[in-house]
Amino acid sequence: NAGVMQNPRHLVRRRGQEARLRCSPMKGHSHVYWYRQLPEEGLKFMVYLQKENIIDESGMPKERFSAEFPKEGPSILRIQQVVRGDSAAYFCASSPWGRETQYFGPGTRLLVL
Amino acid sequence: KNQVEQSPQSLIILEGKNCTLQCNYTVSPFSNLRWYKQDTGRGPVSLTIMTFSENTKSNGRYTATLDADTKQSSLHITASQLSDSASYICVVSAGDDKIIFGKGTRLHILP
Repeated sequence: NAGVMQNPRHLVRRRGQEARLRCSPMKGHSHVYWYRQLPEEGLKFMVYLQKENIIDESGMPKERFSAEFPKEGPSILRIQQVVRGDSAAYFCASSPWGRETQYFGPGTRLLVL
Repeated sequence: KNQVEQSPQSLIILEGKNCTLQCNYTVSPFSNLRWYKQDTGRGPVSLTIMTFSENTKSNGRYTATLDADTKQSSLHITASQLSDSASYICVVSAGDDKIIFGKGTRLHILP
């Protein structure tokens, strides 16, 4: 049973471009969470999704950021018109139900030039 | 306000020594508390999960304690190894499904 997969592992974008981060949860997990971690900082919750539904997006910036978890395929975190402050590690986690112990992916490190 | 405070912020110890990391929380209503280990450049990995009624839980050389009255938890690492060098994150779940992360303690084990 493969763990949580994230790709790409590293992503470099210029200011104003779009960044798409993908997360494939563990097999059998229908709950996905996205977190952002700045250097030397703790994890910050962004959004919690179930298949085709956003359950809690209270941690996600209102502009430029969006997330989806379609019926088929990975969850996508999309950042439009990236700015330097978006540079961070973005972690995805999944769980089989509710907010049970979450299994984290290796993260995507986004660098905005 | 729901908060999770960890101390110390960072810690350096010699290989083979024991250490204890602290976590204080002001989360209400409390649901459970987890300790995660995050190696540099990787995602966090769960070490222990404790509910209100549990006050001690072990996972190998890691022992977590929970005092729900004082809202404190500790993670004790016995006979530290170089591979224990990592950030240790305390995470508290509230009854309303919110999850609050501490900023972590960065532990460095020296040979």
